[in-house]
Amino acid sequence: KAGVTQTPRYLIKTRGQQVTLSCSPISGHRSVSWYQQTPGQGLQFLFEYFSETQRNKGNFPGRFSGRQFSNSRSEMNVSTLELGDSALYLCASSFDSYNSPLHFGNGTRLTVT
Amino acid sequence: DAKTTQPPSMDCAEGRAANLPCNHSTISGNEYVYWYRQIHSQGPQYIIHGLKNNETNEMASLIITEDRKSSTLILPHATLRDTAVYYCIVRVKRGGADGLTFGKGTHLIIQP
Repeated sequence: KAGVTQTPRYLIKTRGQQVTLSCSPISGHRSVSWYQQTPGQGLQFLFEYFSETQRNKGNFPGRFSGRQFSNSRSEMNVSTLELGDSALYLCASSFDSYNSPLHFGNGTRLTVT
Repeated sequence: DAKTTQPPSMDCAEGRAANLPCNHSTISGNEYVYWYRQIHSQGPQYIIHGLKNNETNEMASLIITEDRKSSTLILPHATLRDTAVYYCIVRVKRGGADGLTFGKGTHLIIQP
């Protein structure tokens, strides 16, 4: 069974640009959540989608947004990039998100210059 | 979700059992204990979870004390590939996923 796939693996952008990251969950998983990981802040929750609806959201500014498609694939968008947005962005999927553990992808490493 | 406390680092000899402790003294009755690990430049990997009974799977065993205020993750025969940061998390199973809160974890180093 294929794991969670995130693309691209690495991305370099400049301040002010926007970026879209993609996540393909494990087949059959309907919940997709996104996390930001930095050395200083650790792993922080961004938001979670279930059946195309955002169910929960972390404490991030509105520049961070996401969506989920009918096939459960998800995208995350960051607009007006700032240097502090440089991080590893991780996507996790689970079958129903409250009875099953999360399975993470290997992330997208975003560098903002 | 309840806060957890883990030692920042531990060493273990290859082939020996690695015992990773976690304190979660403020855990409430409906909170589960989850363990994940993260190997450098990879995403976190689910290991095991439990509520109050001890659990075992192909990767590890989870021992939860009777008062549920602490737990121990046991890797029975550690290998070099088990070198990673191990995170202990307590989490309520409820509708609408709350985001997991990862602390600093324990950096486990397996020595050859």
